[in-house]
Amino acid sequence: EIVLTQSPATLSLSPGERATLSCRASQSVSTSLAWYQQKPGQAPRLLMYGASDTATGIPARFSGSGSGTDFTLTISSLEAEDFAVYYCQQRYEWPISFGQGTRLEIK
Amino acid sequence: EVHLLESGGGLVQPGGSLRLSCGVSGFIFSEYGMSWVRQAPGKGLEWVSSMSGGGEDIRYADSVKGRFIISRDNSKNKLYLQMNSLRAEDTAVYYCAKRWEAGGTGGCLDPWGQGTLVTVSS
Repeated sequence: EIVLTQSPATLSLSPGERATLSCRASQSVSTSLAWYQQKPGQAPRLLMYGASDTATGIPARFSGSGSGTDFTLTISSLEAEDFAVYYCQQRYEWPISFGQGTRLEIK
Repeated sequence: EVHLLESGGGLVQPGGSLRLSCGVSGFIFSEYGMSWVRQAPGKGLEWVSSMSGGGEDIRYADSVKGRFIISRDNSKNKLYLQMNSLRAEDTAVYYCAKRWEAGGTGGCLDPWGQGTLVTVSS
């Protein structure tokens, strides 16, 4: 089973700042990695697929990078609605697995 | 617009059974794999099960294998999760989610339903 480790667990930043979230896989997943955003009381929403492709309707301030075992989600300039929990997910092999999440909170 | 709506959650005693349903609209249901993902209170996401559009490919997490059964009725645009021998650790919000791309099983998931809460307690 592929284990995804996200860091940091919590990230405290201010609106307008740049956010960098990390996801590391226990073995290579090529670029078969997705990112999701979850706000309190809501279902997760797909942000990125294929490690760096932006899902429909996602603002341009979100970008993803990486391949193999190390991946990054970057939010170039934080807006109020971006403060949420972010999860990475691998679809490279079964079972599908998620990281434990990074909570992005307002500083 | 794609829409998914789960139902069937509730309180059940340990060892009991429950059947979740997910009604969908806004896309050709039979062309897309579907999945169930759960989230225990205050915890992260855990994949539970996936089924391909035609039902020929079925996958389960080890934690539910032998106890849960995923199924679908493409004529009714419905996805199901039959949960048997429920345990306290199965307590979670259960989400159904559509595969992002047509064809295949699992993969990236979008969109998701709003979830239904299953509580296993005596």
